[in-house]
Amino acid sequence: DAGITQSPRHKVTETGTPVTLRCHQTENHRYMYWYRQDPGHGLRLIHYSYGVKDTDKGEVSDGYSVSRSKTEDFLLTLESATSSQTSVYFCAITYGSGTDTQYFGPGTRLTVL
Amino acid sequence: EDQVTQSPEALRLQEGESSSLNCSYTVSGLRGLFWYRQDPGKGPEFLFTLYSAGEEKEKERLKATLTKKESFLHITAPKPEDSATYLCAVQPADSSYKLIFGSGTRLLVRP
Repeated sequence: DAGITQSPRHKVTETGTPVTLRCHQTENHRYMYWYRQDPGHGLRLIHYSYGVKDTDKGEVSDGYSVSRSKTEDFLLTLESATSSQTSVYFCAITYGSGTDTQYFGPGTRLTVL
Repeated sequence: EDQVTQSPEALRLQEGESSSLNCSYTVSGLRGLFWYRQDPGKGPEFLFTLYSAGEEKEKERLKATLTKKESFLHITAPKPEDSATYLCAVQPADSSYKLIFGSGTRLLVRP
């Protein structure tokens, strides 16, 4: 258990609405990541953070923004949700440097109608 | 282009029937290769990290091995509780944070 919680765990929303997913960790880890998981694509990195207010893009960042104003919280925002963003979203952390093993949270299932 | 391919996509075994899962990768230098287990509705659970060709790691009925082109996850005398999706990921040498995942192998072990 990497001490990661994600909220909400399930969400159904409509196209065009803004959505924010939260990842919360209790162990002061510096590095945090957001992934999406889709059938046939595996897990793909959306954004990652290497400290408070320090974030960078992953391979599928279009349509997503992130914020990290506190060490413990990493927020993923869909400014205007689209049906192509229907997916399962996972947050991950590493215990040490960014090259260490990534540990994943329980996930958020998002459906955009 | 960096790429990870896992095979087979799905595997059905009888309890006690040993087998292997394959993870083939193409990267310009390997920093590490990771195996995860994922149960339905849950996040991936870390199993092993391998760093160099020839390295092996074991955990209960699982053994992971690594060559310069692929990794194998050997499952010896599996039990129904080993049923899950097994994910492989590689970290390229030129990226500290990037993980490239395969699509996984769905394993079903029948009693």
